[in-house]
Amino acid sequence: AQSVTQLGSHVSVSEGALVLLRCNYSSSVPPYLFWYVQYPNQGLQLLLKYTSAATLVKGINGFEAEFKKSETSFHLTKPSAHMSDAAEYFCAVSGGGSQGNLIFGKGTKLSVKP
Amino acid sequence: GAGVSQSPSNKVTEKGKDVELRCDPISGHTALYWYRQSLGQGLEFLIYFQGNSAPDKSGLPSDRFSAERTGGSVSTLTIQRTQQEDSAVYLCASSLDRGDQETQYFGPGTRLLVL
Repeated sequence: AQSVTQLGSHVSVSEGALVLLRCNYSSSVPPYLFWYVQYPNQGLQLLLKYTSAATLVKGINGFEAEFKKSETSFHLTKPSAHMSDAAEYFCAVSGGGSQGNLIFGKGTKLSVKP
Repeated sequence: GAGVSQSPSNKVTEKGKDVELRCDPISGHTALYWYRQSLGQGLEFLIYFQGNSAPDKSGLPSDRFSAERTGGSVSTLTIQRTQQEDSAVYLCASSLDRGDQETQYFGPGTRLLVL
């Protein structure tokens, strides 16, 4: 069965600092992995996804993530945080099978200090 | 183009009442998903529709929950005899097709509060 673990429910960085949000997965089949962002009172917006084409995936808003099979990780990074990056971030793995429902981590709330 | 829309955006109801939540997927998307987001449980899959096929109800937490999708488009999630633990944000998502690689596009959600 697929599962996702996000380390750290809250992460705080200073504006301009590196953002690193951690995600580890467990999957019995080759995984498809996603990062979504949720701003307050909004739905989820896709940042990027890994579908086995390339291990380093670039997404919107300057975010990227690297798939590391040996570490079963898919950490999200951004070189320089902006105030507008403050939101909750969810890592997800596709549930396997033909229906493709997503299995989400618990989320990491990112705060950006001026 | 128009994204996924959901209505109402907020719903307050009394324990024991029935509620209906509506989702309008992106036009042309054949797959539709319902998820529930709550403080204690995070984001949970509830039910999945693909075209006119029978839905995958494997995530529904109890038989008080049901959903339908009419004409392969609009979907309604119904919760009967609501309980306080049903309070959550209900998110709908659609994707162009089914499958692990497909991007799911989410609506803004319906925030349900059961008093």
